[in-house]
Amino acid sequence: NAGVTQTPKFQVLKTGQSMTLQCAQDMNHEYMSWYRQDPGMGLRLIHYSVGAGITDQGEVPNGYNVSRSTTEDFPLRLLSAAPSQTSVYFCASSDRGRRSPLHFGNGTRLTVT
Amino acid sequence: KNEVEQSPQNLTAQEGEFITINCSYSVGISALHWLQQHPGGGIVSLFMLSSGKKKHGRLIATINIQEKHSSLHITASHPRDSAVYICAVGYSGGGADGLTFGKGTHLIIQP
Repeated sequence: NAGVTQTPKFQVLKTGQSMTLQCAQDMNHEYMSWYRQDPGMGLRLIHYSVGAGITDQGEVPNGYNVSRSTTEDFPLRLLSAAPSQTSVYFCASSDRGRRSPLHFGNGTRLTVT
Repeated sequence: KNEVEQSPQNLTAQEGEFITINCSYSVGISALHWLQQHPGGGIVSLFMLSSGKKKHGRLIATINIQEKHSSLHITASHPRDSAVYICAVGYSGGGADGLTFGKGTHLIIQP
């Protein structure tokens, strides 16, 4: 099994550009989530989904959009990148959200100049 | 805001030493997770527990619900254990169906 696949690994954007971070899992997990990791701070939840067609906001949702059209895929969209969105982004999936072990992708290092 | 506090922030030890990393949280939880993040950046789930103790190889995780405290122990530490160890809790009740993460403990095991 591939587990959770995140692409790209690295990305540099200019302020105002848009992009989509891709996340796919092959474990048939209902729960998927996006986190950002910044120096000196714990991982923070951006958006999450408890199943296809269902998404909700996490702790830091501003500037990001998500959709969940299939169980496997959960893309994260930056509509107009800002320097404050420079971070490392992780996608994760699990069977039952916080009540089951999380499986993480390898992360995307995003720099916005 | 529900907090997760980890200690120590940084820990350097010699190979073979017994390591303890602590995690404290503020209110009732549904589950507590211990994660490992290697220098390459990938994050791996080590344990998920809601009571008692779990053991996997040289790693042991314990939780005391009454004291709102968990510990991660590493026996016979080895340089390959060098990583950031992250505690995360799933708080009971409503709100975002996610986890609150500690800032991590940066562990270095010297040969």
